[in-house]
Amino acid sequence: DSGVTQTPKHLITATGQRVTLRCSPRSGDLSVYWYQQSLDQGLQFLIQYYNGEERAKGNILERFSAQQFPDLHSELNLSSLELGDSALYFCASSVGSVNEQFFGPGTRLTVL
Amino acid sequence: EDQVTQSPEALRLQEGESSSLNCSYTVSGLRGLFWYRQDPGKGPEFLFTLYSAGEEKEKERLKATLTKKESFLHITAPKPEDSATYLCAVCPLAQGGSEKLVFGKGTKLTVNP
Repeated sequence: DSGVTQTPKHLITATGQRVTLRCSPRSGDLSVYWYQQSLDQGLQFLIQYYNGEERAKGNILERFSAQQFPDLHSELNLSSLELGDSALYFCASSVGSVNEQFFGPGTRLTVL
Repeated sequence: EDQVTQSPEALRLQEGESSSLNCSYTVSGLRGLFWYRQDPGKGPEFLFTLYSAGEEKEKERLKATLTKKESFLHITAPKPEDSATYLCAVCPLAQGGSEKLVFGKGTKLTVNP
């Protein structure tokens, strides 16, 4: 158990819908990262927050957005969902700087 | 563009048969290199961090090494429970100081009893 929690574990929805994925980092970690893992692309960095502020954006679509709240939990919002958005979404946390990132168990999103 | 390439894509070993996995990288500047283990349907599990060429880290049957262009994960006398996908990732120099990771596609290791 990494100490990072993610909910829900599975999500099945239809094209055009909007969903919210939730992540609670390890106690004491200020940085939260979101990654998408699909079979053909591997793990792709989406976005990073550090202590409530956006620090970096990766290959994140405009239909996707995220935020980190004062209690440091984070949410990833995915809207106007397409079939190609089906993937595993992972949240990771770290204390910051170049330290190991600890990954949550992931949310499997299926868009039908 | 920062890039990580892992080889082989898949590797089958007999229990006790030692081998190495390769991770080659091209980055604007390396802040750190990470090895993770991932079981099917689970989140990646942290194994090692290497920061500079020449550095080595060991944990049980695993040993990670780093040069200026690549890293190796050596597996000595593997057991069936070592079967997993091993992921290599780099943390490149980035504007704004982000610690985002760039991952390779992984090596799927199967150890037969």
